[in-house]
Amino acid sequence: DTAVSQTPKYLVTQMGNDKSIKCEQNLGHDTMYWYKQDSKKFLKIMFSYNNKELIINETVPNRFSPKSPDKAHLNLHINSLELGDSAVYFCASSQSPQGASRETQYFGPGTRLLVL
Amino acid sequence: KNQVEQSPQSLIILEGKNCTLQCNYTVSPFSNLRWYKQDTGRGPVSLTIMTFSENTKSNGRYTATLDADTKQSSLHITASQLSDSASYICVVSGGYNKLIFGAGTRLAVHP
Repeated sequence: DTAVSQTPKYLVTQMGNDKSIKCEQNLGHDTMYWYKQDSKKFLKIMFSYNNKELIINETVPNRFSPKSPDKAHLNLHINSLELGDSAVYFCASSQSPQGASRETQYFGPGTRLLVL
Repeated sequence: KNQVEQSPQSLIILEGKNCTLQCNYTVSPFSNLRWYKQDTGRGPVSLTIMTFSENTKSNGRYTATLDADTKQSSLHITASQLSDSASYICVVSGGYNKLIFGAGTRLAVHP
């Protein structure tokens, strides 16, 4: 019973293509996130949604567009993929927005994106 | 500037030995500090969460300490096992929706 799941696990595509990554959590959490982990293993937050509303939108190219159809899902669509988009993308969830609370953030297994 | 710095960048130890990983931060205001373990090819998993008033928190063989005055934290691993080989990430919360991640320490435990 995977708490936070992502699909696909691997994604290899050509520059200029458009692709989507899907994320689902079955923990009943209100808040979901997208993170990017680059080749140096540094995790950076990209977006956060709370109850389907965008609450964090870091400096990310507008080629990246998150969409939350309901509280349990947060998808990430990427337009016009570039070489620099190659990374591992992690979805995560928590009961409430992170920061002030002590609640644990649960991460998905990651989607490894390679842009050729 | 809000920053979280971890040291060492990487570490190799023998199975059964202890080790300590360091985390220094300049995040302000401070809300809490978390340590995560990330196995290769997997997402991070939370080990400990400490608030300002907590000096130490244990999770099995993992013990985290926090000195909010000096803005330092450490993660001590006792009697290391091969399965402890992973990256350990320090994350500091600066309040609502503000998480600052360290670059992590890569630990390799050899038999």
